[in-house]
Amino acid sequence: KQEVTQIPAALSVPEGENLVLNCSFTDSAIYNLQWFRQDPGKGLTSLLLIQSSQREQTSGRLNASLDKSSGRSTLYIAASQPGDSATYLCAVYNNAGNMLTFGGGTRLMVKP
Amino acid sequence: EAQVTQNPRYLITVTGKKLTVTCSQNMNHEYMSWYRQDPGLGLRQIYYSMNVEVTDKGDVPEGYKVSRKEKRNFPLILESPSPNQTSLYFCASSSAGGGEQYFGPGTRLTVT
Repeated sequence: KQEVTQIPAALSVPEGENLVLNCSFTDSAIYNLQWFRQDPGKGLTSLLLIQSSQREQTSGRLNASLDKSSGRSTLYIAASQPGDSATYLCAVYNNAGNMLTFGGGTRLMVKP
Repeated sequence: EAQVTQNPRYLITVTGKKLTVTCSQNMNHEYMSWYRQDPGLGLRQIYYSMNVEVTDKGDVPEGYKVSRKEKRNFPLILESPSPNQTSLYFCASSSAGGGEQYFGPGTRLTVT
């Protein structure tokens, strides 16, 4: 059964820092991987989707990489801002593309 | 505006009283899913649907039913709710299997 782990569970940084969030998964036979952001009491907002054949995806200050063979993905946030404070979740699709397994999330606090 | 809507947003009910949480999407997506989110357990998939009249179990289907009679709607039915179904529920949709998932705002359910 697929297991997804995110490290660290919580992170507090000063504004302006570049930071890396990590996601690992146990079964490398994935369809694709998606990163989300969740604000307290709110739904999930999609940040980036990486197809299993891709190595990375970029959107603005966000860059996500995928190393399927080693079961790892990283989310890089450049020049962090207080508005980036949220919980970041990664999720992997199984090979059939119908089951999504989530990691526990990284709770990020960016201090002004 | 492209969106996934859920109703109700908040619900307090008693053990055994049947309830339905509605989910609707306006993006003509084929895939729809239900998740529950619990502290310490993260997000887990309850059921998913690949198209009208096609549904299948996720990781935690016990105690839930779904139906997909129209493409845009995917209601979640709790025929006899129990306190262990107290949770935050999310509906999501995607254009295809393994595609980018769009989440609804969530329904907070309390069963006493």
